[in-house]
Amino acid sequence: DGGITQSPKYLFRKEGQNVTLSCEQNLNHDAMYWYRQDPGQGLRLIYYSQIVNDFQKGDIAEGYSVSREKKESFPLTVTSAQKNPTAFYLCASSILGEWDSNQPQHFGDGTRLSIL
Amino acid sequence: AQSVTQPDIHITVSEGASLELRCNYSYGATPYLFWYVQSPGQGLQLLLKYFSGDTLVQGIKGFEAEFKRSQSSFNLRKPSVHWSDAAEYFCAVGFYYGGATNKLIFGTGTLLAVQP
Repeated sequence: DGGITQSPKYLFRKEGQNVTLSCEQNLNHDAMYWYRQDPGQGLRLIYYSQIVNDFQKGDIAEGYSVSREKKESFPLTVTSAQKNPTAFYLCASSILGEWDSNQPQHFGDGTRLSIL
Repeated sequence: AQSVTQPDIHITVSEGASLELRCNYSYGATPYLFWYVQSPGQGLQLLLKYFSGDTLVQGIKGFEAEFKRSQSSFNLRKPSVHWSDAAEYFCAVGFYYGGATNKLIFGTGTLLAVQP
């Protein structure tokens, strides 16, 4: 079955350390997204990408970086500049240009990042 | 600016009782509206969607929602709640962003607890 795989499920970071969260999809979707989820704040968009080698900042991009070297992959790096990285991170993907009649965005199962 | 409000942060209902979760949106055009459900530590699963047409939409797991343009609302309902419905529920509005990418704006979520 097609879907989105996020790894690892749990991740711990030391102060001052960069960490990378993996997101892979086999849905042949052009667009991919990263969200951050904090209790009581819903989901907030960090970055999104419409096509390989191109990506755009979302609402809370500071302290994060991404790459899109392959259509299937959209890794997120949480840098040491992100002062409050503890959160649940969700990756999503979608077709481009119109709303999918079945799913607007497909979501992975998330990565929980914590600071040691 | 587009926004979604879920006024109830936490709701507790008894098993077998009816449920209504509220959602209000702010959007200039006819919105695309969605309800997602999230179990603890999991990704988001689409319950139902409204694109156009019939304002009462049916979803999975026995849920339904009604779009009321005059009230800018899209409330989620279920006639009889099961213990397995305990989860967090997110309302979202969708629109095009950056020309071709669809974007979702999420509410802050409503956490549903079900009493036996």
